[in-house]
Amino acid sequence: DAGVIQSPRHEVTEMGQEVTLRCKPISGHNSLFWYRQTMMRGLELLIYFNNNVPIDDSGMPEDRFSAKMPNASFSTLKIQPSEPRDSAVYFCASSLGESEAFFGQGTRLTVV
Amino acid sequence: EDQVTQSPEALRLQEGESSSLNCSYTVSGLRGLFWYRQDPGKGPEFLFTLYSAGEEKEKERLKATLTKKESFLHITAPKPEDSATYLCAVRRSGNTGKLIFGQGTTLQVKP
Repeated sequence: DAGVIQSPRHEVTEMGQEVTLRCKPISGHNSLFWYRQTMMRGLELLIYFNNNVPIDDSGMPEDRFSAKMPNASFSTLKIQPSEPRDSAVYFCASSLGESEAFFGQGTRLTVV
Repeated sequence: EDQVTQSPEALRLQEGESSSLNCSYTVSGLRGLFWYRQDPGKGPEFLFTLYSAGEEKEKERLKATLTKKESFLHITAPKPEDSATYLCAVRRSGNTGKLIFGQGTTLQVKP
């Protein structure tokens, strides 16, 4: 298995633009997580899905952030409009039930 | 509120100098404590899962242990390639998978 696949690896965008991050979880996994990592706050859970259904989105910073999981093999995290304070590394991870989560390589987002 | 605290924030060791990293946690109904390794520019890489107090897991120079309040990651005779950030995370019961991470310990091993 190729592991969790995220795209793009790097994204530079201007303030106010829409940004869409993509994730393909490991086949057969039924839980998917979106995390954000910064030096100041470490790894923060934004949202997680179980069987394609959002279970906890309490970590989503504000209405500018939205996430979808239309099927078991694809998820998106969208930021609209983007702001400089959204600059961070965004990770997607997946797991099977309560087993360990496997992370993708992340998307480094820079908003200028 | 669930909380995970790792110490120290940073650790410098000479090659071969053994040490331990600490992960203290407060969680209602622990359903797993996880250790990850993260190299610069990469995603966290899974190392160990511990489920109950007294449990131990080993992998090469690393050994993870668990008590009711904390976990230790022991590094025996480290090598420069062990340099990385080590992250601890907990999952509590009824959460269907959510992991709460500590801030991590950045380990540097000098030759």
